[in-house]
Amino acid sequence: DTAVSQTPKYLVTQMGNDKSIKCEQNLGHDTMYWYKQDSKKFLKIMFSYNNKELIINETVPNRFSPKSPDKAHLNLHINSLELGDSAVYFCASSQGTGGYNEQFFGPGTRLTVL
Amino acid sequence: RKEVEQDPGPFNVPEGATVAFNCTYSNSASQSFFWYRQDCRKEPKLLMSVYSSGNEDGRFTAQLNRASQYISLLIRDSKLSDSATYLCVVNVNAGKSTFGDGTTLTVKP
Repeated sequence: DTAVSQTPKYLVTQMGNDKSIKCEQNLGHDTMYWYKQDSKKFLKIMFSYNNKELIINETVPNRFSPKSPDKAHLNLHINSLELGDSAVYFCASSQGTGGYNEQFFGPGTRLTVL
Repeated sequence: RKEVEQDPGPFNVPEGATVAFNCTYSNSASQSFFWYRQDCRKEPKLLMSVYSSGNEDGRFTAQLNRASQYISLLIRDSKLSDSATYLCVVNVNAGKSTFGDGTTLTVKP
């Protein structure tokens, strides 16, 4: 009965490859997010979707392309991976976009680019 | 200047101590405020929301000072299990949360 799940949990790949991370939430939330947490543990928002529509895009390189097939899923595809993409990527969801809503995070995907 | 700033610590305190963290934010239009907790190699989880009137949850007390644009978290009677990174979160626009860089707390026996 995991609330927010992500796959894979670990991803090790070579520079230049293309990879995807999947996220699903079973909380019935309208809003989903992708965050990146780098090696210094700084957590930065990348994207936010509400009811499958993109509402936040925080100056992320266009090698990163989120896709929301329905409001319970938000996937992240990364093209031409670079060393600097190594980080933990967290998916999260909340009920609505109102700033007063708690965000629920997935367990994270630890991406290592060699 | 960062939108949200926290003292990174680390704070090393003995069990039973009282410890306080502060967080400042730069945007006076900020609407809502939270403290999240993140354990090592785990995801962040909501600890508590922060209300203008201040709020308490057991050993944890959160305060908001809009005039000075800071929020605080006070932990009384620290337990070993309180060891974690505490993240201050500020929301300005709908759908966007800005996380502070976190304050690391280690409670020692």
